[in-house]
Amino acid sequence: DIQMTQSPSSVSASVGDRVTITCRASQDISSWLAWYQQKPGKAPKFLMSAETSLQSGVPSRFSGSGSGTDFTLTISSLQPEDFATYYCQQTNTFPQAFGQGTKVEVK
Amino acid sequence: EVQLVESGGGLAQPGGSLRLSCATSGFTFRSSEVNWVRQAPGKGLEWISYISMSGTTTHYADSVKGRFTISRDNVKNSLYLQMNSLRAEDTAIYYCASASLLGNNYGYRYWGQGTLVTVSS
Repeated sequence: DIQMTQSPSSVSASVGDRVTITCRASQDISSWLAWYQQKPGKAPKFLMSAETSLQSGVPSRFSGSGSGTDFTLTISSLQPEDFATYYCQQTNTFPQAFGQGTKVEVK
Repeated sequence: EVQLVESGGGLAQPGGSLRLSCATSGFTFRSSEVNWVRQAPGKGLEWISYISMSGTTTHYADSVKGRFTISRDNVKNSLYLQMNSLRAEDTAIYYCASASLLGNNYGYRYWGQGTLVTVSS
């Protein structure tokens, strides 16, 4: 099975900061990676896949890059509504595992 | 408006059974691959099961294989999860999640609000 490792597990940041989250797959997954945002008490929200980039309605301050085993999610200028937990997920093969999550907290 | 509404969660005893349902609307369910994802209290997301558009192909996480069964009814636009031999570690919020028409490889575009399953004596 493919393991997904996110770093950092948490990050403290301020509004306006640039935040980068890294996701590493234990083997090559090409571009089959998705990113989600989850706020407390809410269902995850699909942000983007590496193949198709941003989901409609997702602000352009979110961007993703990478292929193979290393991927990043970048928030170019953190906004108050962006404080949340972010998950990557490999969608290459089953089981389609998620990373352990990265919590973006208020500094 | 796309909607996925889970139901059927609740309290179950260890070794017991529950059947979760996910009623969908607002998108072409019969043309969508769908999944169940769960989240234990305070923990991360765990993919647990997948079913193809026709229902002929299914996949399960090792943690539920042999105990859970995924199924769908494309006439009723609904997804199901039959959960048997429940364990305390199955306690979680269970989400149904659908891919877009592009397929599961492109991520899970639509999510339900989740239903809480608690396994305890």
